[in-house]
Amino acid sequence: DSGVTQTPKHLITATGQRVTLRCSPRSGDLSVYWYQQSLDQGLQFLIQYYNGEERAKGNILERFSAQQFPDLHSELNLSSLELGDSALYFCASSETGGPRDEQFFGPGTRLTVL
Amino acid sequence: QKEVEQDPGPLSVPEGAIVSLNCTYSNSAFQYFMWYRQYSRKGPELLMYTYSSGNKEDGRFTAQVDKSSKYISLFIRDSQPSDSATYLCAMGYGQNFVFGPGTRLSVLP
Repeated sequence: DSGVTQTPKHLITATGQRVTLRCSPRSGDLSVYWYQQSLDQGLQFLIQYYNGEERAKGNILERFSAQQFPDLHSELNLSSLELGDSALYFCASSETGGPRDEQFFGPGTRLTVL
Repeated sequence: QKEVEQDPGPLSVPEGAIVSLNCTYSNSAFQYFMWYRQYSRKGPELLMYTYSSGNKEDGRFTAQVDKSSKYISLFIRDSQPSDSATYLCAMGYGQNFVFGPGTRLSVLP
């Protein structure tokens, strides 16, 4: 158990809908990362937050947004969902968010868009 | 050409074998290199992290980086059934990093 929690574990929704994925980092970690993992694209970095502020952006679509709250939990919002958004979404956390930091991954949220 | 290439496998070996997992990359800006292990239905976990060319050993695992050839490897000695997982290489510079597609490994008892 990495200490990172993600809810929900599974989510099934329809095209065009909006969903919110939630992540709680390990105790003491200030930085949160979001990843998307699909069979054809592999693990793709989406976005990173550090202490409430956006630190780095990867391949995140404009339909997706995220935020990190004062209590350091983070939410990833996915809107106007398409079939291709079906994937595993992972959250990871690290102590300071630096490149040398080890990232600890949560168990993931499996999103199915029908 | 993808930025990071990795043989997807699957790779099956008998218990006790030496396993070699490899990644090639095209971006010479990459400065740090990682290997992650991902068990089925779990998140990835960091196995090895290195900044420099050369070898780094940790127990049964050895990570090798050759920046001149843009090639990294992970060797697993005395492989065990518990090593059966998908192995992802990752590399980056600054806050930018890219993962390989992963190699699925099965170690047969």
